[in-house]
Amino acid sequence: GQQLNQSPQSMFIQEGEDVSMNCTSSSIFNTWLWYKQDPGEGPVLLIALYKAGELTSNGRLTAQFGITRKDSFLNISASIPSDVGIYFCARGSGGSNYKLTFGKGTLLTVNP
Amino acid sequence: EAQVTQNPRYLITVTGKKLTVTCSQNMNHEYMSWYRQDPGLGLRQIYYSMNVEVTDKGDVPEGYKVSRKEKRNFPLILESPSPNQTSLYFCASSSWGGKNTEAFFGQGTRLTVV
Repeated sequence: GQQLNQSPQSMFIQEGEDVSMNCTSSSIFNTWLWYKQDPGEGPVLLIALYKAGELTSNGRLTAQFGITRKDSFLNISASIPSDVGIYFCARGSGGSNYKLTFGKGTLLTVNP
Repeated sequence: EAQVTQNPRYLITVTGKKLTVTCSQNMNHEYMSWYRQDPGLGLRQIYYSMNVEVTDKGDVPEGYKVSRKEKRNFPLILESPSPNQTSLYFCASSSWGGKNTEAFFGQGTRLTVV
């Protein structure tokens, strides 16, 4: 199937620092989604992007749908310990964007 | 409360003993899917269903079966489990089409096959 390249694989940061992670694809798609997975839980949607160039914020999180429609980034500002988890990008495909393909995830560790 | 419910949360079984992991959603979603999560590999789709009686293979369907007899339920069946199916499994559901593609996930089922 189609591959998503998500980077970095892991990050170790100090509380208060900003974080950036991104995903790229060799094909263009209509939807980019960013999920967070807390330990022992299922992924939870953070931000959904539907238009090239779209920039969307959710609290301290900001994500953008790349203008080429082949990439997306997620920024977290002023990180806090509860930001710890695995962050996944996902892109939609299929006639109505129903089929999601996920990146391999970015493991974020925040040191207090 | 909108939710996707999987059962069991944890399961240890022996090679070859058939098992079923149940998934139920209360949001009247058309689309449901199963994923497995393995270290370093992220979430990989096993099977998906676009509506009742409509199912199709995802990226890693070998060794699994599914059924969709009712809209709310989408069980995952392992007819003859093997150790390489030891994994963390997630069920997800979403509405069909347009902007309603955001998938809601269950809490996961951790399966160990010995």
